Amino acid sequence: QKEVEQDPGPLSVPEGAIVSLNCTYSNSAFQYFMWYRQYSRKGPELLMYTYSSGNKEDGRFTAQVDKSSKYISLFIRDSQPSDSATYLCAMKRMDSSYKLIFGSGTRLLVRP
Amino acid sequence: DSGVTQTPKHLITATGQRVTLRCSPRSGDLSVYWYQQSLDQGLQFLIHYYNGEERAKGNILERFSAQQFPDLHSELNLSSLELGDSALYFCASSLAGANTGELFFGEGSRLTVL
Repeated sequence: QKEVEQDPGPLSVPEGAIVSLNCTYSNSAFQYFMWYRQYSRKGPELLMYTYSSGNKEDGRFTAQVDKSSKYISLFIRDSQPSDSATYLCAMKRMDSSYKLIFGSGTRLLVRP
Repeated sequence: DSGVTQTPKHLITATGQRVTLRCSPRSGDLSVYWYQQSLDQGLQFLIHYYNGEERAKGNILERFSAQQFPDLHSELNLSSLELGDSALYFCASSLAGANTGELFFGEGSRLTVL
């Protein structure tokens, strides 16, 4: 079993839809949770970062962490075709160096 | 542009060969990380260097080695290549002490082993 599970998709939605992307994990020692966005033929870029449980909002993006359920989510409001990309969740323990454990990524397609 | 430069962008080689991938981190970043991305495994952490010293190792094969030089650029050496080594290899860098998980990734080196 992988430490971090993520549905690969693809997830296809119409422009303007609310998108929900999710990851589950098995290691309760994870304390830092991140979402990266990866466009085709590019490297991943950090979108959101959350420490421990709770919500964090940044523009159209909201990240949620539920440590009791070992479940994290990324919501995208008013989705745009430019949001079409692969979204990777990542997490790490507090005591680790900077070793991030990534999910396999969910491919999102926002149709105009 | 993340500021991390990787060369070459594409590489095609044969089984049994050896290749070297090069990475220049962002200006001022002391940490360099190497990740392997394949279709079935996702992004896998290989190794982390900080200011020339190895700090952490992931699932890096013995056939693979890396180093970080005094000018902070890093090289990943892959030897005795196998078909299964075909993947995207990413380098990332970060500020020393950054605990936010923010890694700045290069655009990757796509390795194809025939």
